[in-house]
Amino acid sequence: AQKITQTQPGMFVQEKEAVTLDCTYDTSDPSYGLFWYKQPSSGEMIFLIYQGSYDQQNATEGRYSLNFQKARKSANLVISASQLGDSAMYFCAMREIINTGTASKLTFGTGTRLQVTL
Amino acid sequence: DGGITQSPKYLFRKEGQNVTLSCEQNLNHDAMYWYRQDPGQGLRLIYYSQIVNDFQKGDIAEGYSVSREKKESFPLTVTSAQKNPTAFYLCASSISGTAFDVLTFGAGSRLTVL
Repeated sequence: AQKITQTQPGMFVQEKEAVTLDCTYDTSDPSYGLFWYKQPSSGEMIFLIYQGSYDQQNATEGRYSLNFQKARKSANLVISASQLGDSAMYFCAMREIINTGTASKLTFGTGTRLQVTL
Repeated sequence: DGGITQSPKYLFRKEGQNVTLSCEQNLNHDAMYWYRQDPGQGLRLIYYSQIVNDFQKGDIAEGYSVSREKKESFPLTVTSAQKNPTAFYLCASSISGTAFDVLTFGAGSRLTVL
């Protein structure tokens, strides 16, 4: 069963507007972490923002915020004041404990390609 | 500057050849990982290592092998047994491997089988 679902293959947003990228997840583990990464055309994966399963408040990092709705198992990324340089692939990922607690694994969604237009 | 260095950036291989992708980190991280990315898809875990001299299979380990003889190094060998090795390979590391660790990624190695 797919554990991370990103239902938007592609999104367009105008420069200076805000955009929300959707992510839902599935886990029965009470302890997990949710991450968003940005992948520009160069291929590197750039960490954007993190939300722990026990965090009470939504995470924010500059223009990035994570809309964490635990009961709905969603962790949407909000980018405010979009810039041309924000055009990239965006991946949602979940880190959960495996192997009876001796390790953890990061599972990725299929990504959303964001295109910022003038 | 601390980071992860992957080499080579581009690699071409003939069918039937083994190739080794290098991954070196100077972040003093305990855990290291190898991921594979195919066009239009997310990343899939090949192997991971929590400590030196120990590593575990990920979701798609068949046709790959790794070693972890030093904390800084986690090379990946793509063997001739890997049926479809053309892909983008990403190495990552994290401090300890808990659910709350951030993974830091290298710039990737693009392997093409001719």
